[in-house]
Amino acid sequence: EIVLTQSPGTLSLSPGERATLSCRASQRLSSTYLAWYQQKPGQPPSLLIYGASTRATGIPDRFSGSGSGTDFTLTISRLEPEDFAVYYCQQYGGSQITFGQGTRLEIK
Amino acid sequence: EVQLVQSGAEVKKPGTTVKISCMVSGYTFTDYYMHWVQQAPGKGLEWVGLVDPEDGETIYAEKFQGRVTITADTSPDTTYMELTRLTSEDTAVYYCAICYFGRFNRFDPWGQGTLVTVSS
Repeated sequence: EIVLTQSPGTLSLSPGERATLSCRASQRLSSTYLAWYQQKPGQPPSLLIYGASTRATGIPDRFSGSGSGTDFTLTISRLEPEDFAVYYCQQYGGSQITFGQGTRLEIK
Repeated sequence: EVQLVQSGAEVKKPGTTVKISCMVSGYTFTDYYMHWVQQAPGKGLEWVGLVDPEDGETIYAEKFQGRVTITADTSPDTTYMELTRLTSEDTAVYYCAICYFGRFNRFDPWGQGTLVTVSS
């Protein structure tokens, strides 16, 4: 099973700042098989990024994904109030799907 | 518009079985895989398994193998997740989600979630 480790666990920033979230895989991944989700309280997760760097339909361009191999990053260029949420990475390259434990992005 | 509507909250006693549903509309149900994901209170996401609605093929996460059964029915277009021998650790919100691009791929969209509470 591929283990995904996200860091930091909690990130405290202010609106307008830049957020950088990390996702590290225990095995090398094809970048094709890495996605990011945003989850707000009481809601299901929603897809942000797939294929490590492709934004899902309707996702603003302040969200970007990058990385390859075992290290992947989600960057939010300028935080808006609605961006404060929990973010999960997901890998779907093997025969089992796994998620990272999540990064909570909170208002400083 | 694609919609996934899940069944309501359940309260179950330890050792019993729960079966929850996810009714879909807005696309051809048998064309795409359906997945289920568990989220315990205050915790992260854990993949449970998938079903191919066309032929009923299933794949389960190792953690749930032997206790979970995922099925699909086309009348109406609904996927079901049954979990047996419940314990307090199964208390969670369970989500269904569509996987458009093959058996293992990104999930979009997700159902609204079903809370299962296991308590004596």
